[in-house]
Amino acid sequence: AAGVIQSPRHLIKEKRETATLKCYPIPRHDTVYWYQQGPGQDPQFLISFYEKMQSDKGSIPDRFSAQQFSDYHSELNMSSLELGDSALYFCASSLGSTQYFGPGTRLLVL
Amino acid sequence: AQKVTQAQTEISVVEKEDVTLDCVYETRDTTYYLFWYKQPPSGELVFLIRRNSFDEQNEISGRYSWNFQKSTSSFNFTITASQVVDSAVYFCALSEAGGGTSYGKLTFGQGTILTVHP
Repeated sequence: AAGVIQSPRHLIKEKRETATLKCYPIPRHDTVYWYQQGPGQDPQFLISFYEKMQSDKGSIPDRFSAQQFSDYHSELNMSSLELGDSALYFCASSLGSTQYFGPGTRLLVL
Repeated sequence: AQKVTQAQTEISVVEKEDVTLDCVYETRDTTYYLFWYKQPPSGELVFLIRRNSFDEQNEISGRYSWNFQKSTSSFNFTITASQVVDSAVYFCALSEAGGGTSYGKLTFGQGTILTVHP
């Protein structure tokens, strides 16, 4: 069965640089979620989209933005990167209440 | 606001032992969903089970079983005859019914690190 695809899987950036994370949800899923998981932490909700419209927003910094495109893929744009942005970023998709997660993008900010 | 608490930070067992992971939640919604996810050392988050708030029937699926008790706001998860491959971080999570036809974000507990020794 198709799963959620995230790219890139690993990303190394310098402070103050910009990063773009991509997510391709499971086909026919109508909702996409983004989560951030710091080292030793539980995943924290950032933002979600339902049918290409933003449906909910969590503790997402103003430096971050996201959108969902007509083909349902989503991108998380992160600017002015800080050391504290180093984390595992998950995308999840759902059609119903169960969210299925992608493998994550591990971002390291140096 | 919703909150999930996993009081057990780490559990260590020997293979073939049964192990129960505890989860307590808080929510003001009458309709909500409870989940268990597994995060092995490779890092991905794997969906294990889901329970709806209006269905308190407890079930067994292979070596997994769960005990949902609305009266005590608990959603405990048991692995029977544990195996080394069960070693992972286990997260309990809660989502409230979202507005319209969308579903709400997941709120995770702090996670329980399970180590199964051979």
